[in-house]
Amino acid sequence: DTEVTQTPKHLVMGMTNKKSLKCEQHMGHRAMYWYKQKAKKPPELMFVYSYEKLSINESVPSRFSPECPNSSLLNLHLHALQPEDSALYLCASSQVILSRNEQYFGPGTRLTVT
Amino acid sequence: AQSVTQPDIHITVSEGASLELRCNYSYGATPYLFWYVQSPGQGLQLLLKYFSGDTLVQGIKGFEAEFKRSQSSFNLRKPSVHWSDAAEYFCAVGGATNKLIFGTGTLLAVQP
Repeated sequence: DTEVTQTPKHLVMGMTNKKSLKCEQHMGHRAMYWYKQKAKKPPELMFVYSYEKLSINESVPSRFSPECPNSSLLNLHLHALQPEDSALYLCASSQVILSRNEQYFGPGTRLTVT
Repeated sequence: AQSVTQPDIHITVSEGASLELRCNYSYGATPYLFWYVQSPGQGLQLLLKYFSGDTLVQGIKGFEAEFKRSQSSFNLRKPSVHWSDAAEYFCAVGGATNKLIFGTGTLLAVQP
């Protein structure tokens, strides 16, 4: 099974709301990633977890808060977002955090901030 | 610093025609190279990867890519394009930073 699942598929939230994005993989991967993708652009790395510990934070604003409760789950908590945060949020996983390891992507959550 | 260039923003080919998507990378050591495909509103799917060894690598959906160190290139090819191949294609390189560096993508349109 090479599937990464993400919920919800679509999310509309106001600037004062708090919401969470969820990601799950059952491939035994120990590295998990959050990316943000704007239309017609490549994915931009936000966070990387390695063995459930935050390994990379690409200077992401604190209104985005990642969490890795266990090796299969990755959450992204959202609070006080801005309209410019509207994007496709992609989760990915790889065996471990090494450049030679391919990343498997989920289908993404389409987020709209109103 | 690592970088990836995809010179073609948009390519249109006829169904059944051959396809080549260009990718050039900049990296001092042997790179780890990937091609991903993204259908509209979907996640990225890995087509193929190159780490070492045979410079011609085969992937899924009939795609192949050739690593040419002398040209710093990793072009993606398909001998006969199907309408379902219409999508965005991203070349990526993995290097010393343990991050994937993506190119800007090439949008492929397929004419009937």
